[in-house]
Amino acid sequence: EIVMTQSPATLSVSPGERATLSCTASQNINNNLAWYQQKPGQSPRLLISGASTRATGVPDRFSGSGSGTDFTLTITSLQSEDFAVYYCQQYINWPPFTFGPGTKVAIK
Amino acid sequence: EVQLVESGGGLVQPGGSLRLSCAASGFTFSSYSMNWVRQAPGKGPEWISYVNSVTGTTTYYADSVKGRFTISRDNVKNSLYLEMNSLRAEDTAVYYCARRGTTVFDHWGRGTLVTVSS
Repeated sequence: EIVMTQSPATLSVSPGERATLSCTASQNINNNLAWYQQKPGQSPRLLISGASTRATGVPDRFSGSGSGTDFTLTITSLQSEDFAVYYCQQYINWPPFTFGPGTKVAIK
Repeated sequence: EVQLVESGGGLVQPGGSLRLSCAASGFTFSSYSMNWVRQAPGKGPEWISYVNSVTGTTTYYADSVKGRFTISRDNVKNSLYLEMNSLRAEDTAVYYCARRGTTVFDHWGRGTLVTVSS
């Protein structure tokens, strides 16, 4: 089973600033990585697939990068609606599909 | 508009059973593989089960639920199901149905809460 880890657990950022979130896979997953955003009381929402391809309707302030084992989600100029928990997920080697433990982006 | 609406959650005693349903609309349900993903309080999502598109004959389960949970689908009723038996306290979670697009979970329902407690 591929284990996904994320850092930091919590990231405190001021509105308008940049946030950089990291995700690491326990083995090579090429670019088979997705990012999801989850706000309190809501279900996860797909942001990015293929490590860097934004889903329909996702603003271009969200960008993903990386390949192999190390990945990054960058949110430029954080808006109030971006404060949420972000999860990465691998889909190259399944079952099981595995998620990271999440990074909470909090208001500083 | 794609919609997935889960139902059937509730409070159940340890060892009990529950059947979850997910009603799908806004897309050709039979053309997509479907999944159940759960999320325990304060934790990240955990994938628990998959069923393939069209025939529904290929299923997979997480080790944590294998032998206790059964996934199925009815393409006529545009519905996904999860039969849960021998429930444990650690099964307490919000259960989501999620559509798998080409590769990723591109649409999720709002979830249904299952609480296992005496």
